[in-house]
Formats: sequence, structure tokens, C-alpha cells
Amino acid sequence: DGGITQSPKYLFRKEGQNVTLSCEQNLNHDAMYWYRQDPGQGLRLIYYSQIVNDFQKGDIAEGYSVSREKKESFPLTVTSAQKNPTAFYLCASSSRQNTEAFFGQGTRLTVV
Amino acid sequence: GQNIDQPTEMTATEGAIVQINCTYQTSGFNGLFWYQQHAGEAPTFLSYNVLDGLEEKGRFSSFLSRSKGYSYLLLKELQMKDSASYLCAVEITGGGNKLTFGTGTQLKVEL
Repeated sequence: DGGITQSPKYLFRKEGQNVTLSCEQNLNHDAMYWYRQDPGQGLRLIYYSQIVNDFQKGDIAEGYSVSREKKESFPLTVTSAQKNPTAFYLCASSSRQNTEAFFGQGTRLTVV
Repeated sequence: GQNIDQPTEMTATEGAIVQINCTYQTSGFNGLFWYQQHAGEAPTFLSYNVLDGLEEKGRFSSFLSRSKGYSYLLLKELQMKDSASYLCAVEITGGGNKLTFGTGTQLKVEL
């Protein structure tokens, strides 16, 4: 079945450690996105990529990094520079022609 | 900057009709999406409006007025499972078709 997969669903890390969140899609979509969601708030764009080996900062990119070495994969690294990393992280993808975005199930990151 | 406004919370009765409004002021506009999100889950696509007018899809309809920067989502014959957050998102031109989301409207359906 085609879809977009995020892993793990829950992740705990100690303060000061970098952590990488996985996002894989087999929908053959060119574009991929990372959003952050905090309680009672909408989704805020962290990074997005329209094509392999290229990505752009979103509205809240500070303290995060990404790579897009393969079309199917768009991992997000939450670095120790991110001041408030505890949040629900959502990955999404869309094709260029049909811009409806499909979301993964999300990763809830807790930094203690 | 981009600004998308939705009511924070709404309550409605099972079987009734509810209208969730969204107003936007954005630099560039390609279209407007509505997503449904249950707590702790991924948003799921409901509708997409690019032209003015009403798009109907079963119990859900969505309306767009580009000149007024206004959209609404209409839910008919409400069911308990419709209790969720409803997210309005604008697709911005010139930025790789990225989406800018409102804060979402938490809908509670009561008996």
C-alpha cells in the first residue's frame, strides 16, 4: 500500500542530544514537508523540499536540519540548538501536479 | 506576513449543521484546504477550493470567496465521530506550494 511512514511514534531524549526523526514515502511524490504542532496550535512549517538534493527553510527552521538524498526519504534532525524541542512532529508529501498533502502519523518527541 | 484566522472552539449537537469559518490575509494565494485532525493523529484531507463557490462532498461542503479572503467548512448531519480539530490551510504561491495553517477549530459534538 502507498503511504507515508514516520518512525518512531514516541521518542524520548535527554536535553542536549541531537535526535533524528524518520520520514519515508512510497507515493512517488516530489515534495516533502516537516511541520511542528504544539498543543492548541496549528501546524508550523520547519523545512520543505521540492526535489531531491534541494530543500528550503520554513517559518521555524532554527535548531533543525534536514537532508533529501533520496526521493523517498526526508529525515529531520532536532539539534541541541532547538530551545523547546518537545512537540508533535508531522511529515507530509505531495506531488507537483496535485498539491493535496498526505501526512504521516506523526512523532511525539519529548525532551527531558 | 501570513495571517489565517479561525474560531478556537465550537460546540454543536448531534444531527445538526455547523459552519466553521476561516479568514485569511496572505501574500499570494493558490488555493485553500480543509483538514480534519483527531487528537494525536495525522490530519486527513477534506476539501480543496481554488475557485470561488461551493464544493460539496457528502456531508461536508466547503466555500471560498477569494475577493473576501474567506472560506467556510459546512458539516451536516453531525455525528459524534466528527468531534475533532478542523484546520484551514492556504497554499501560498511562489514558495513551492507550501501550506500555511490556521490554528484550527476544535469542534465538540454533543448528544
